[in-house]
Amino acid sequence: GIQVEQSPPDLILQEGANSTLRCNFSDSVNNLQWFHQNPWGQLINLFYIPSGTKQNGRLSATTVATERYSLLYISSSQTTDSGVYFCAGEAGGTSYGKLTFGQGTILTVHP
Amino acid sequence: NAGVMQNPRHLVRRRGQEARLRCSPMKGHSHVYWYRQLPEEGLKFMVYLQKENIIDESGMPKERFSAEFPKEGPSILRIQQVVRGDSAAYFCASSPGQVTYEQYFGPGTRLTVT
Repeated sequence: GIQVEQSPPDLILQEGANSTLRCNFSDSVNNLQWFHQNPWGQLINLFYIPSGTKQNGRLSATTVATERYSLLYISSSQTTDSGVYFCAGEAGGTSYGKLTFGQGTILTVHP
Repeated sequence: NAGVMQNPRHLVRRRGQEARLRCSPMKGHSHVYWYRQLPEEGLKFMVYLQKENIIDESGMPKERFSAEFPKEGPSILRIQQVVRGDSAAYFCASSPGQVTYEQYFGPGTRLTVT
């Protein structure tokens, strides 16, 4: 199966700061998603982005499929952005339907 | 359009009892996936089901665990004779079709085995 590496593992910010989270994949993926797990444990879908760039408010994501990485940008961070950010990929083939998750980036935003 | 629903949200079982976790996919979705989040291990795929079919169960423990998605009703993840190591958050996701699609996650069921 594919390996998914996320960096950095931890990130501490002051409110208002910008940040970039990275996700590297060991092989090509057909499906790539970013999630935010909030302090209550719920997984919130942020982006479905197998390639290209998408933006949603203060968040944006870019996937460079040929180089097997994806970036999540958070601008003007708020305390409510705190939590764990996961990326996950699906390799296709015999792994069709199976998302492999990275270990996550723990983000803490201080007021 | 309601999202993926899971119940119960919290479940406490004593060692040796059975746990039944339910998942209702989003309207129009016929593909269901179960994932488990163990402390210190992250989120791991367990099983992928379509109506009345198990497509991939490569992530399921070999014993005590089973899953179904009947023609009518929710998908069920069943854990027999639970042990403390089964304590985890169990997430269900659904997607609409046969090609690669975004998976939408439910709020999870937190199982505690005492």
